[in-house]
Amino acid sequence: KQEVTQIPAALSVPEGENLVLNCSFTDSAIYNLQWFRQDPGKGLTSLLLIQSSQREQTSGRLNASLDKSSGRSTLYIAASQPGDSATYLCAVRPKYNAGNMLTFGGGTRLMVKP
Amino acid sequence: DAGVTQSPTHLIKTRGQQVTLRCSPKSGHDTVSWYQQALGQGPQFIFQYYEEEERQRGNFPDRFSGHQFPNYSSELNVNALLLGDSALYLCASSYADLGNEQYFGPGTRLTVT
Repeated sequence: KQEVTQIPAALSVPEGENLVLNCSFTDSAIYNLQWFRQDPGKGLTSLLLIQSSQREQTSGRLNASLDKSSGRSTLYIAASQPGDSATYLCAVRPKYNAGNMLTFGGGTRLMVKP
Repeated sequence: DAGVTQSPTHLIKTRGQQVTLRCSPKSGHDTVSWYQQALGQGPQFIFQYYEEEERQRGNFPDRFSGHQFPNYSSELNVNALLLGDSALYLCASSYADLGNEQYFGPGTRLTVT
């Protein structure tokens, strides 16, 4: 059974810092990995999707890497801003599966202080 | 282009009642998945519908059932509500192709008293 873990569970940083969020998964047989952002009480916004054949994806100040063999992904946020405060979730899609369900980690709650 | 929409936004029910939640997928998407997210946790997969059939199901009891209509919209039904069913219910849509990104709606907050 695939399990996804995110460390740390919560993080507080001053504005302007570069930071790294970690995601690990137990089964390397994945189709892809997706990072999401969730504001309190809201739905999920997709940030980056990395296919299993890719090593990284970039969007603006965000960079996500994938090391499938070690079962790890990182989300790098450059020059953090107060508007980045949210919960960040990673999710993997199993490779050998009839559908395309996602298995989520518990999330990292990020607070960026002005 | 409207994204994934869900209704209602909030709902309060009493234990033992039944509830129906609705989801309209992003334009062009044919696959709808439902997730339950308890407070402070990551979403848990309930089931997925494609071509009006349940294609995959997570570890949820039969009290949770669903339906997909010919226009790809979907309903989630929960019978005999328990206090533990209180959660944010998220709908996600995608193309049937496994490699495609999933897009989530704003969710329905269900409170069972």
